Amino acid sequence: EDKVVQSPLSLVVHEGDTVTLNCSYEVTNFRSLLWYKQEKKAPTFLFMLTSSGIEKKSGRLSSILDKKELFSILNITATQTGDSAIYLCAVEGRGANSKLTFGKGITLSVRP
Amino acid sequence: SAVISQKPSRDICQRGTSLTIQCQVDSQVTMMFWYRQQPGQSLTLIATANQGSEATYESGFVIDKFPISRPNLTFSTLTVSNMSPEDSSIYLCSVGYGTGSGNTIYFGEGSWLTVV
Repeated sequence: EDKVVQSPLSLVVHEGDTVTLNCSYEVTNFRSLLWYKQEKKAPTFLFMLTSSGIEKKSGRLSSILDKKELFSILNITATQTGDSAIYLCAVEGRGANSKLTFGKGITLSVRP
Repeated sequence: SAVISQKPSRDICQRGTSLTIQCQVDSQVTMMFWYRQQPGQSLTLIATANQGSEATYESGFVIDKFPISRPNLTFSTLTVSNMSPEDSSIYLCSVGYGTGSGNTIYFGEGSWLTVV
């Protein structure tokens, strides 16, 4: 059974801090790893990673994948209160249904 | 990405009743899914909505409890039948766009159901 473990489960930082969110996984026939930000209801897509060592970057957010060690990190620099959210990591295995297996999420709180 | 609209966005339901959630996408998509997120939990896939055929359900979910329709490539419904308080959850419609290397899954705004 596919498995995704995120750490830490929750994190409190102050504005301007840099945070690193971790995601480790076990999946049969890995295809991709995805990061989402969930503020109220719907998760919003951040990154899809398929290859090791290639950093994806969007503004203050960046992410990288290590397929050998089976983990990914999501970095947020110069955090703002608007970054407060739950960050979800999911993996997709190769199969007919493109099923995503999600981790429990990391709750990030950014204090002013 | 697609614009994914869900209705209702929120509802309070009586135990034993059924509710149908609608999902409308602004473009034709092949891959369409229904997820559930129970309070304090992460997302769990209920089923893949297949256009023109029966949905494919994940382990622990059955058609009698969660019937799904997919009449065309832009629309799907999920019914939560004979509801109990354990069905209180956010139900999320999602669509997938494939590239050669992977599929990006986007989510609708969700439907927050509370069963009393």
